[in-house]
Amino acid sequence: RKEVEQDPGPFNVPEGATVAFNCTYSNSASQSFFWYRQDCRKEPKLLMSVYSSGNEDGRFTAQLNRASQYISLLIRDSKLSDSATYLCVVRVGTSGSARQLTFGSGTQLTVLP
Amino acid sequence: GAVVSQHPSWVICKSGTSVKIECRSLDFQATTMFWYRQFPKQSLMLMATSNEGSKATYEQGVEKDKFLINHASLTLSTLTVTSAHPEDSSFYICSATRAGDEQYFGPGTRLTVT
Repeated sequence: RKEVEQDPGPFNVPEGATVAFNCTYSNSASQSFFWYRQDCRKEPKLLMSVYSSGNEDGRFTAQLNRASQYISLLIRDSKLSDSATYLCVVRVGTSGSARQLTFGSGTQLTVLP
Repeated sequence: GAVVSQHPSWVICKSGTSVKIECRSLDFQATTMFWYRQFPKQSLMLMATSNEGSKATYEQGVEKDKFLINHASLTLSTLTVTSAHPEDSSFYICSATRAGDEQYFGPGTRLTVT
């Protein structure tokens, strides 16, 4: 079983649509959670951290359910520029090797005009 | 923000040759640098963790004699792919971190071995 699993995608949605991505993680010791965005042939860029209380950044809302080991990302009013691969990422701890990030395989989003 | 550079951004080499990739933290001192590899349509896979002045810690399945990592200073780590083969063709990405801070990723190096 993969440590971080995501919706396989791809998601093709029209501009203005709302789209949701799901992610599950297997290591219950995971402490930090993130969504990264990766454009084609580019490095991943941090989109937002995910907190237990849920957090919002503009059109993006992230949720974390520790009991279910489940993370979600909601994008509202999607824009063409949102087209990218979205990576669910977890980290076990903050020191030593535990600071390593574990990446999901990503979900590809294409927003269509 | 923290900036990490990689050089070269892309490289084509012949099978059997060695290729060195540099990762530099430009405006901060990185206590730890990470090297990842990403094959097409797959996620980033951690290859090794490198701390300045000490030997790198390699992930299971990554050959340390093939992927040589040197972390000689707090701003520079190098990855050398020795005796490269076509199956080593991939996108290599480094990241750098200050203590307890987030990882800052380099722009990646696309390696093609012919």
